[in-house]
Amino acid sequence: GQNIDQPTEMTATEGAIVQINCTYQTSGFNGLFWYQQHAGEAPTFLSYNVLDGLEEKGRFSSFLSRSKGYSYLLLKELQMKDSASYLCAGGDSNYQLIWGAGTKLIIKP
Amino acid sequence: ETGVTQTPRHLVMGMTNKKSLKCEQHLGHNAMYWYKQSAKKPLELMFVYSLEERVENNSVPSRFSPECPNSSHLFLHLHTLQPEDSALYLCASSQEVQIYNEQFFGPGTRLTVL
Repeated sequence: GQNIDQPTEMTATEGAIVQINCTYQTSGFNGLFWYQQHAGEAPTFLSYNVLDGLEEKGRFSSFLSRSKGYSYLLLKELQMKDSASYLCAGGDSNYQLIWGAGTKLIIKP
Repeated sequence: ETGVTQTPRHLVMGMTNKKSLKCEQHLGHNAMYWYKQSAKKPLELMFVYSLEERVENNSVPSRFSPECPNSSHLFLHLHTLQPEDSALYLCASSQEVQIYNEQFFGPGTRLTVL
C-alpha cells in the first residue's frame, strides 16, 4: 500500500535547529513535497525534491533519499512563528499526492 | 493571501440540508482540487479538475457533487451529509495538473454536520 509516515508532534526551542523526518511508500515516485500549515490557515508550499540531496532555501532545507524512501525538513534559527504543522506529501502519479498526517511543531521560548 | 478564496468560511448544516461550497482562484491556473482535512488525519484528495474536466475522483460518496463551470471556479455541492463528513474542506489550484506543480490552497470551509 501507499503510506507517508511522520511524527505527530515535536517540540523545539527558539533559536535552535529541528529536523522533521518523513518516510514514504508510494507506487512510483514523482517527488516529495513539504508544506507548512499554521493553525486555522491554508497549507503553503515550502519545498519540492525530486532528486537525491539537500535543497536549501533560507532557514529551511529539505533532503531526499530515494533509495531509502526518506526525506527530512530542517529548520534553523527557529522563530516563534515557525510553530505550525508541517505536511509531507509524496507524488505517485501525475495527478495525486499521498499526504502524511502532519507534524505539529511547538516552539518554546 | 494565496490567490485562492473560499466561501463560506464556516458552515453548519443538518443532515437533510443542501448547501454548496465555492472556490475561486485568481492565479490563471488550469487545475483545481477539493480536499478534505479531518483532525490528525492526512489530507484526502476528493476531486481533481483540469481545464474544467474532472480527471480524478477518489471514491467519494455521491452526496458530494463537484462542479467546475470554468477554470477559475469550483463548487462542491453537498446533500444529505453525515456527521462524519464534518471537516475542513480545502480548495487548491496549480498551474497544471502534473505532480511537480506547487499547489496553492484556499483558507478552507469549516463544515459541521449536525
